[in-house]
Amino acid sequence: QQKVQQSPESLTVSEGAMASLNCTFSDGTSNNFRWYRQHSAKGLEVLVSIFSDGEKEEGRFTAHLNRANLHVSLHIREPQPSDSAVYLCAVVTGNYKYVFGAGTRLKVIA
Amino acid sequence: EAAVTQSPRNKVAVTGGKVTLSCNQTNNHNNMYWYRQDTGHGLRLIHYSYGAGSTEKGDIPDGYKASRPSQENFSLILELATPSQTSVYFCASGDDGQNTLYFGAGTRLSVL
Repeated sequence: QQKVQQSPESLTVSEGAMASLNCTFSDGTSNNFRWYRQHSAKGLEVLVSIFSDGEKEEGRFTAHLNRANLHVSLHIREPQPSDSAVYLCAVVTGNYKYVFGAGTRLKVIA
Repeated sequence: EAAVTQSPRNKVAVTGGKVTLSCNQTNNHNNMYWYRQDTGHGLRLIHYSYGAGSTEKGDIPDGYKASRPSQENFSLILELATPSQTSVYFCASGDDGQNTLYFGAGTRLSVL
């Protein structure tokens, strides 16, 4: 069964500095990965979807996937205080089921 | 944009009571999901559905039932609510293609 772990559990960065979040998974046969953002007490919004090794950019958000290393990361360029939220990594299995990590809580300070 | 609506947004129930959480989506997506979110566990899948009339067990189905009477509606039913079911519940829908999940705003359930 796919296992997904995220690190760090929490991260504080200054406004404008790069924020980097990590996600490791146990089964390298998956080819469908998502990063979601969850603001406090709200639903999840999808940020980036990535389906092959390499890089995928969506605005200020860039995902890097390396399936050989069982690793997918999210980099946030020029983070703003409004980016403060919980970021969730998800791996989609062959039967359309998502397996989520526990999340990284990001705080961006002005 | 995808629209998934959950009701109620907040619910307080008594132990042993029946609770029904409702979800409606206007995206014509085939797949719908119920998750619960607890600190330290992230999102865990309870039940899901591939279309009207179908329900499948997720990873933590015990104590929950699901119903998909139509393409648009997917309900989660707690026949005998217990305090351990206190949580935030999220519904989501997705299509058969890339299956990006679109989430509702969540229902906060407290079982006393």
